[in-house]
Amino acid sequence: KQEVTQIPAALSVPEGENLVLNCSFTDSAIYNLQWFRQDPGKGLTSLLLIQSSQREQTSGRLNASLDKSSGRSTLYIAASQPGDSATYLCAVGPGAGSYQLTFGKGTKLSVIP
Amino acid sequence: GAVVSQHPSWVICKSGTSVKIECRSLDFQATTMFWYRQFPKQSLMLMATSNEGSKATYEQGVEKDKFLINHASLTLSTLTVTSAHPEDSSFYICSAPRTGSTEAFFGQGTRLTVV
Repeated sequence: KQEVTQIPAALSVPEGENLVLNCSFTDSAIYNLQWFRQDPGKGLTSLLLIQSSQREQTSGRLNASLDKSSGRSTLYIAASQPGDSATYLCAVGPGAGSYQLTFGKGTKLSVIP
Repeated sequence: GAVVSQHPSWVICKSGTSVKIECRSLDFQATTMFWYRQFPKQSLMLMATSNEGSKATYEQGVEKDKFLINHASLTLSTLTVTSAHPEDSSFYICSAPRTGSTEAFFGQGTRLTVV
C-alpha cells in the first residue's frame, strides 16, 4: 500500500527566504506526482504535475523535482511571500488512466512579513 | 483549465439528518469522479469512485449504505451522507479527470459539521 510522507509538518519562514518542502513515497511505481496548495477551509489548487518520466517542473517561483527511484520529491519556493502561506500537499498517482491519488498530510507553511 | 464545481461549500446539520453534496464538471464530461474526505490534521483519503451509469466502488472501511453516491449524468455526481453523526464531520472534496488529461481536477470542497 502506497504511503506518502511530508516533512516538515509545519514551517515558518521570514518573507523573502527560499525554502524546500519534502515529500517521500514508499512505492516507486508511480505514474505521476502532483503538488497542491490548500488554503484554510478551501479546495485544492494544483501547482505542479510531474510525470514519472520527468525530473522536474517549474512554474514561476516554484520548482518541483522528482527522484522516482528513491521515492522522493521536493518543492522549492523561491523568494517566499506572505501570500504563499498555506498547506502544501503532495500526492502520487498509481498508474496510467488511474486518477486515484494518495496524499500526504501536508506541510503548513507560514511566511512572516 | 477544466472546472469542477462542488456545492455547498459548507453545511451544518443536525445529527440523524441527511446531507447531499453535489459535484459538477462544468466544461467537460466525466464518466468517473472521485470522493475524498479529510479529517483534521489528516491527509485526504479516497472514499469512493463514482461511475456514471453504474454502481460506485468504495474503499475499504467506507460504509456504502451510509455514503450514497449517484452519478446520474456525465457532469454530475452526488454524495449523500445519510443519518449523519458528529463523527461524520469532515471536509469532503470531489475530483474529476478530463479525457485526454493526465490529471484530475478538484472541486472547492464541502465542510460538513454535524451537531
